[in-house]
Amino acid sequence: ILNVEQSPQSLHVQEGDSTNFTCSFPSSNFYALHWYRWETAKSPEALFVMTLNGDEKKKGRISATLNTKEGYSYLYIKGSQPEDSATYLCAFKPGGFKTIFGAGTRLFVKA
Amino acid sequence: EAQVTQNPRYLITVTGKKLTVTCSQNMNHEYMSWYRQDPGLGLRQIYYSMNVEVTDKGDVPEGYKVSRKEKRNFPLILESPSPNQTSLYFCASSIDGKLFFGSGTQLSVL
Repeated sequence: ILNVEQSPQSLHVQEGDSTNFTCSFPSSNFYALHWYRWETAKSPEALFVMTLNGDEKKKGRISATLNTKEGYSYLYIKGSQPEDSATYLCAFKPGGFKTIFGAGTRLFVKA
Repeated sequence: EAQVTQNPRYLITVTGKKLTVTCSQNMNHEYMSWYRQDPGLGLRQIYYSMNVEVTDKGDVPEGYKVSRKEKRNFPLILESPSPNQTSLYFCASSIDGKLFFGSGTQLSVL
């Protein structure tokens, strides 16, 4: 079974701090890497879909980078706000139709 | 409004009593899939469907069945639920790889 690792498991930051998380995935047979944001009592929502080595995506204060050759992606949040508190999931798609999720990084932002 | 509708939101049942969780999408997506979420683990894929009448196993298919008779519907069937199937279940649909999730079904099997 293909393994997708996310670190850290959880993170507590103060409002205004910048932070980043890591997603590691198998570097062979890469098709796409997705990031999702999952707020408590809601459904996961897509943040980014990344397909090319060196991809950089940005949405407001959140950005992501992708390195398919070494098998990792970083998610950055600049100037964290309490509303950024959520679980951030990465999902690896090898060739084909399967999707393999990491266990997530749970972010807590204190006002 | 584009959405994926799952029902029910909450379900408590007993071991062995067959149940179905429904999933419907109104976006004309070809791809649909089911996941379960357990504490400490990522979303694990149960089954997926590439189109009508085309389904395949994900990573944890044991104890589940699916069908895809129409493009919009993709029900998850537990023929004989057991306590280890107590979990939070999500249905999702996709057209370009990006997943759109339903609101989830919290299932408890006693």
